[in-house]
Amino acid sequence: QVELVESGGGVVQPGRSLRLSCTASGFNLSFYGMHWVRQAPGKGLEWVAVIGVDESHKNYGDSVKGRFTVSRDKPSNTLFLQLNSLTVEDTATYYCAREKGLFVDYWGQGALVTVSS
Amino acid sequence: IVLTQSPGTMSLSPGERAALSCRASQRVSGAALAWYQQRPGQAPRLLISMASNRATDIPDRFSGSGSGADFTLTIGGLESEDSAVYYCQYYDMSVGLIFGGGTRVEI
Repeated sequence: QVELVESGGGVVQPGRSLRLSCTASGFNLSFYGMHWVRQAPGKGLEWVAVIGVDESHKNYGDSVKGRFTVSRDKPSNTLFLQLNSLTVEDTATYYCAREKGLFVDYWGQGALVTVSS
Repeated sequence: IVLTQSPGTMSLSPGERAALSCRASQRVSGAALAWYQQRPGQAPRLLISMASNRATDIPDRFSGSGSGADFTLTIGGLESEDSAVYYCQYYDMSVGLIFGGGTRVEI
């Protein structure tokens, strides 16, 4: 069955970097667009980034553009999100999600990123 | 495009019916409108795609309707497990996923 498992979260100081991973099983990640969505503590959902089937298609939310980079590794069937120049406003649970048409049909369980000095 | 959900919170009793509203700031395609359920401590789960198509394994007490700029998620015969926050979502291919602010349903 389809499963998405995020890892790489943790506590990081402002200005530092972190890389999140999302390992997929039950399907070939290369055949789907993949999204990152985050949720600050007690807040709603905020879209972060997408990578299309065509990897030249990448798009980012305004709040992370220029700081975050989405990528994937086909052999390991893993999606990545590189988070640079982190600020306290980036503190959130980060979810990876599989795109199906014009919505997302599967979500991972999330990885918590806490930016704090 | 901005999605506005109302009410912010609704408190209902088991067996009652809930109607959750999602209003877009301009007309949108229903084909790109979805609803998700997020229970406490869990990841979101797809309920409805294309405004009215129930996702796999979603009970038929959940239904979606609407067009243009006004969409509704209706939950008939509320059960305690339906206590959650519900989000509507629109996919603007040039912008990304757009989420409403959510409606909390307390049973």
